Amino acid sequence: QSALTQPPSASGSPGQSVTISCTGTSSDVGGYNYVSWYQQHPGKAPKLIIYEVSKRPLGVPERFTGSKSGNTASLTVSGLQAEDEADYFCSSNAGSDILVFGIGTKVTVL
Amino acid sequence: EVQLVESGGGSIQPGGSLRLSCAASGFTFSTYWMGWVRQAPGKGLEWVAIINQDGSEKYYEDSVKGRFIISRDNAKNSLYLQMNSLRAGDTAVYFCATFYYHAFDNWGQGTLVIVSS
Repeated sequence: QSALTQPPSASGSPGQSVTISCTGTSSDVGGYNYVSWYQQHPGKAPKLIIYEVSKRPLGVPERFTGSKSGNTASLTVSGLQAEDEADYFCSSNAGSDILVFGIGTKVTVL
Repeated sequence: EVQLVESGGGSIQPGGSLRLSCAASGFTFSTYWMGWVRQAPGKGLEWVAIINQDGSEKYYEDSVKGRFIISRDNAKNSLYLQMNSLRAGDTAVYFCATFYYHAFDNWGQGTLVIVSS
C-alpha cells in the first residue's frame, strides 16, 4: 500500500489560512469516509485533530476543518497561530483491515 | 485522564527479538481497539498493527506480517508487541494508541527501537 501524497510544506502568516491536501486513490481516501488528520510537534507524540473526514475530537479548536472530494482530502487551518507550526499527517482506511498514512506536511507560521 | 506508557525499547542486533509493552490507565481498556504506530527517525508515521477488544481480531501492516505479534492482557490493562526477526528498517519510535472511529485518538510518548549491528 503506497503512502498518501501530501505537499512537503505549507506556510502562512498569523491570522491567515492554510490548506493541506492528502491525495490517495479510490481504494483508500476515495473509498472510505475514514480520513483522519494528526498534528505532531517536534519530539512529541502525534495528536488526533480530525477523524471521519471532518469531525473534531473534544478540545480541538474549530479553526481546524477537514473535507474530502473524490480521492483527495483536505485540512484547513484558519486563523493561523504560532502554536499551529507543526507536522501534519493524514491517514485513511485502505481496506477493511488496512490503514495508510500520508508522508506528512510541515506547516510554517511566517 | 487517558495515559499510555510504552516500555521495552532499546538497541538490538538484526535478527533479534524485542517485546514492547504499553501500560494503559484512565479509561476502560477492555472496551477499546488498540494499536501500534511507528515513526522512523525524521520520517513519517506508519501503522504497524491493531487489535480488537478481546484480542480475537488482529491486523498487521504487510512488512511486519509473520514477524510481529500484537496481543493484549485486559486484566493487566496492557498492550504488547512481540517483534521477531528484526531488521534495520524496523528502527523507529513505536507508539501505542487507542483506535477509535478508525483513527488513533490517544497516544503514548513512544519507545525507541534501534536495530543495528
